[in-house]
Amino acid sequence: ILNVEQSPQSLHVQEGDSTNFTCSFPSSNFYALHWYRWETAKSPEALFVMTLNGDEKKKGRISATLNTKEGYSYLYIKGSQPEDSATYLCASQGGSEKLVFGKGTKLTVNP
Amino acid sequence: DGGITQSPKYLFRKEGQNVTLSCEQNLNHDAMYWYRQDPGQGLRLIYYSQIVNDFQKGDIAEGYSVSREKKESFPLTVTSAQKNPTAFYLCASSISRRGLRLFGQGTRLTVV
Repeated sequence: ILNVEQSPQSLHVQEGDSTNFTCSFPSSNFYALHWYRWETAKSPEALFVMTLNGDEKKKGRISATLNTKEGYSYLYIKGSQPEDSATYLCASQGGSEKLVFGKGTKLTVNP
Repeated sequence: DGGITQSPKYLFRKEGQNVTLSCEQNLNHDAMYWYRQDPGQGLRLIYYSQIVNDFQKGDIAEGYSVSREKKESFPLTVTSAQKNPTAFYLCASSISRRGLRLFGQGTRLTVV
């Protein structure tokens, strides 16, 4: 089983701050890297899937980068808002159908 | 609107009982998945199905069973053989192997 690590485990920022967190995954047998946002009492929401080394994806104020050679992905949030408060999950996909999820980074944005 | 519907939202089970969690999607997705979440852990794959009448075990399949008789439906049965069934269960689907998973709202199962 792949080991996917996310850091930090939790993060508190002030409204307007920009922030980023890390997802580390085994670089061997890499197929795709997924990011999801999970707000309390809601379904996890798909953000990005990235496959190629150097990929960058953007959705509004959220962006992500991928380094498959060293096995990490960064998620950035520019100008955090209280509605960005959620747990952000990454998942690595190897050569099969399976995703291996990290434990998530819980972001709290204080007004 | 297209989406994934899980029911019930909350489920209580007595020890020794089997219970079935429902998952329905109207997205015309081929692939469907069941995940389990426990406190302090990442989502773990129980079973998945890539096509009707076919499914594969995930990482923690023991004590669970599934069926895929229709493309839209992928019910999960938690059997009495599952020793620690209390958890939050999420169903998901995707249009392709590399596609993002779309999730339902989950079922919280508690053994009483």
